[in-house]
Amino acid sequence: AQKVTQAQTEISVVEKEDVTLDCVYETRDTTYYLFWYKQPPSGELVFLIRRNSFDEQNEISGRYSWNFQKSTSSFNFTITASQVVDSAVYFCALSNFGNEKLTFGTGTRLTIIP
Amino acid sequence: NAGVTQTPKFRILKIGQSMTLQCTQDMNHNYMYWYRQDPGMGLKLIYYSVGAGITDKGEVPNGYNVSRSTTEDFPLRLELAAPSQTSVYFCASSYAGVSGANVLTFGAGSRLTVL
Repeated sequence: AQKVTQAQTEISVVEKEDVTLDCVYETRDTTYYLFWYKQPPSGELVFLIRRNSFDEQNEISGRYSWNFQKSTSSFNFTITASQVVDSAVYFCALSNFGNEKLTFGTGTRLTIIP
Repeated sequence: NAGVTQTPKFRILKIGQSMTLQCTQDMNHNYMYWYRQDPGMGLKLIYYSVGAGITDKGEVPNGYNVSRSTTEDFPLRLELAAPSQTSVYFCASSYAGVSGANVLTFGAGSRLTVL
């Protein structure tokens, strides 16, 4: 069985603050993949990042960074110096090798207050 | 490049009616998926297809049917619509499937209301 938990339902921060979105996953497989998708108010889903279970290197892309820790089964997402355009629902997702089911968390709605 | 195109964007159905949500992609992707998104619930997989002529059930297939006669098209059929099928439906595609860490490209979504 696979499960993704995003315990933070909604977060609001003032513009320019840093914010971290938590993602905790469960899987019995040793080979798996983690994803983050963004859903802006317009409704489409936009891919942000993927990580496989053998690569625990953290990644930084501009103001975005991701921290993958297998020891705590977490794949957290940090936005530095947040901007109003970052307002969206963010989904963490998990797939296992050989299984076409992509399991999504329930999402975190992030609101950046100008 | 249009990507993944879904029609219609919005639809209101009466209980018991049937309809088909259309999905087409122009990226020559082999894998196609249908998800539904309910408020606060994330996305759940309804059906998927790994290529023309091949379909398989996801987590929540009851009340839906699919077909994949071409690489480009993957329509989702709702038979005997029920209020529980009120949701936003997303079609997605990828070249080689999420099981191999491939990224999904999503359509813009279709909002369906059953009254």
